[in-house]
Amino acid sequence: AQSVTQLGSHVSVSEGALVLLRCNYSSSVPPYLFWYVQYPNQGLQLLLKYTTGATLVKGINGFEAEFKKSETSFHLTKPSAHMSDAAEYFCAVSAYSGAGSYQLTFGKGTKLSVIP
Amino acid sequence: DAGVIQSPRHEVTEMGQEVTLRCKPISGHNSLFWYRQTMMRGLELLIYFNNNVPIDDSGMPEDRFSAKMPNASFSTLKIQPSEPRDSAVYFCASSLVLTGELFFGEGSRLTVL
Repeated sequence: AQSVTQLGSHVSVSEGALVLLRCNYSSSVPPYLFWYVQYPNQGLQLLLKYTTGATLVKGINGFEAEFKKSETSFHLTKPSAHMSDAAEYFCAVSAYSGAGSYQLTFGKGTKLSVIP
Repeated sequence: DAGVIQSPRHEVTEMGQEVTLRCKPISGHNSLFWYRQTMMRGLELLIYFNNNVPIDDSGMPEDRFSAKMPNASFSTLKIQPSEPRDSAVYFCASSLVLTGELFFGEGSRLTVL
């Protein structure tokens, strides 16, 4: 079984400040890792993903995340927050679970507020 | 290109009524997922299909829920009879491969009175 833990259901930052959203996962097999963003009254859209290769992954809107296997973490960062970054962010892990089946598990989400 | 299309966007119904939610995945995608989102439980996977075949329905809450995918371009999620605790936003998502990026629809907001 796999799981995702997002630390902090709500995070507030000032405009221009660093954004750090934490995600830890557990998986018994090498995982694929994702960050999704959800704006109000919309579906989720992909920010970035890690599958294999370089552990620092860059995504859209200036976000990036680093896969750290030893820490089982995949934290999301952005150097300078913008008002338009206010949204809910979901970390997700996908892993092969056998018999041709994959499991994609989402964390509970972190709501980011940006203070002007 | 059109994204994942869900209908209806909003549905208000009374307890005991049948509800049918519809989804058209992105053309060429062979995996389709149904999720439910609530404040209390967050995002829950209900069922997913690969090449129109249900692979994992362990997230379907109970027998009142059923999902079908008669062809590669259409899926339905049915609740019969509906209950107030079914009130949620239901998302459909599709993917080219199981491990790949999910493309979500805008969701169907269901309110059961």
